[in-house]
Amino acid sequence: EAGVAQSPRYKIIEKRQSVAFWCNPISGHATLYWYQQILGQGPKLLIQFQNNGVVDDSQLPKDRFSAERLKGVDSTLKIQPAKLEDSAVYLCASSSSFTGTLYGYTFGSGTRLTVV
Amino acid sequence: DQQVKQNSPSLSVQEGRISILNCDYTNSMFDYFLWYKKYPAEGPTFLISISSIKDKNEDGRFTVFLNKSAKHLSLHIVPSQPGDSAVYFCAASAFSRGGSNYKLTFGKGTLLTVNP
Repeated sequence: EAGVAQSPRYKIIEKRQSVAFWCNPISGHATLYWYQQILGQGPKLLIQFQNNGVVDDSQLPKDRFSAERLKGVDSTLKIQPAKLEDSAVYLCASSSSFTGTLYGYTFGSGTRLTVV
Repeated sequence: DQQVKQNSPSLSVQEGRISILNCDYTNSMFDYFLWYKKYPAEGPTFLISISSIKDKNEDGRFTVFLNKSAKHLSLHIVPSQPGDSAVYFCAASAFSRGGSNYKLTFGKGTLLTVNP
């Protein structure tokens, strides 16, 4: 099966600019996650979708970050305006259901964002 | 508040020897634990998991041990191979509690280097 697709792979923007990341999960996977991984740290969950509904966005900085998952398939994560501390790898992951946790999520390769 | 801790940022071992990666957790609600492996410029990939009802799970060269009373788990790789060189993340969830508790909380990772 095809993996989790993410684009772009790399992005460099100036602070206060906006940026958007796209994720296409594995076909049929109902649960989708966006994680932020800052250099030297583990991935941190930003938002979790079940189909097109939000399950958990408690760690999403809602003043600047937004995410949507239209039609329960693809998802977009947006940052507006970006800050220097947003420099990180943004990882998208999907699983077939909540029980995907048993076998782990399938992660995409991530988008490396550099804010200058 | 770091609920999953990997206190060794790096570990270096000789090919053929045992690699032992450690992880400690503080949240007593965690009942499912996973190890992920990450190569540069790739997303994390699931390696092995263990439920809190077990104290050991083995898969080929990889064995995970869980000590609930000490809130400690470890990953043993025997024998270690140069291809095992990667960052290893420990992750945990409160799986049995359902809902948003299925989310994974990650440690900061340990860089394993296996020298030929």
